[in-house]
Amino acid sequence: GAVVSQHPSWVICKSGTSVKIECRSLDFQATTMFWYRQFPKQSLMLMATSNEGSKATYEQGVEKDKFLINHASLTLSTLTVTSAHPEDSSFYICSAREAGGADTQYFGPGTRLTVL
Amino acid sequence: GQNIDQPTEMTATEGAIVQINCTYQTSGFNGLFWYQQHAGEAPTFLSYNVLDGLEEKGRFSSFLSRSKGYSYLLLKELQMKDSASYLCAVSSNRDDKIIFGKGTRLHILP
Repeated sequence: GAVVSQHPSWVICKSGTSVKIECRSLDFQATTMFWYRQFPKQSLMLMATSNEGSKATYEQGVEKDKFLINHASLTLSTLTVTSAHPEDSSFYICSAREAGGADTQYFGPGTRLTVL
Repeated sequence: GQNIDQPTEMTATEGAIVQINCTYQTSGFNGLFWYQQHAGEAPTFLSYNVLDGLEEKGRFSSFLSRSKGYSYLLLKELQMKDSASYLCAVSSNRDDKIIFGKGTRLHILP
């Protein structure tokens, strides 16, 4: 149980384009999903908290107009990196917390984004 | 605010035991997690402690002392596949978030 998937697992795009990453909880409902970014050999940095049916809460320093988050259902959240630039190249990881469950977050496999 | 400290790197020998320490400062403590992360992969859940004491799960055990703001992850009978980063993370009841430490990279030598 508690499986989270992400799609795509990796993506290469040109500078200036937009990229959408999907995060799905496969066998449970997640009222809250989290989006993290991780640069090589560094820890996970929380970008935003995504709540089903409401606006995401962004961490300080994260541009909400650049990183668009939509949590349209209890099993799906999407992160869209708009007008991507090479400095946005990173490992993006989502996690989901089960509705009514403990605080444990279960992570997706991550998406490696490379912007040329 | 929250602050989590853990060693940057540790080295141990296959078959041995290693203890990875984590100290934290937070308001409204609501639990401590340990995650394992192999290079290039997402973290996987190892343990969750909310009460003082030792939680044992196979070769891995996790200990918590809330009064000391201290936890450790104990790995027994080390295997080469245990080479990974181990992330200590703390949950606060003031918000929804889990804050991660910078991780401890564990190197296992044959």
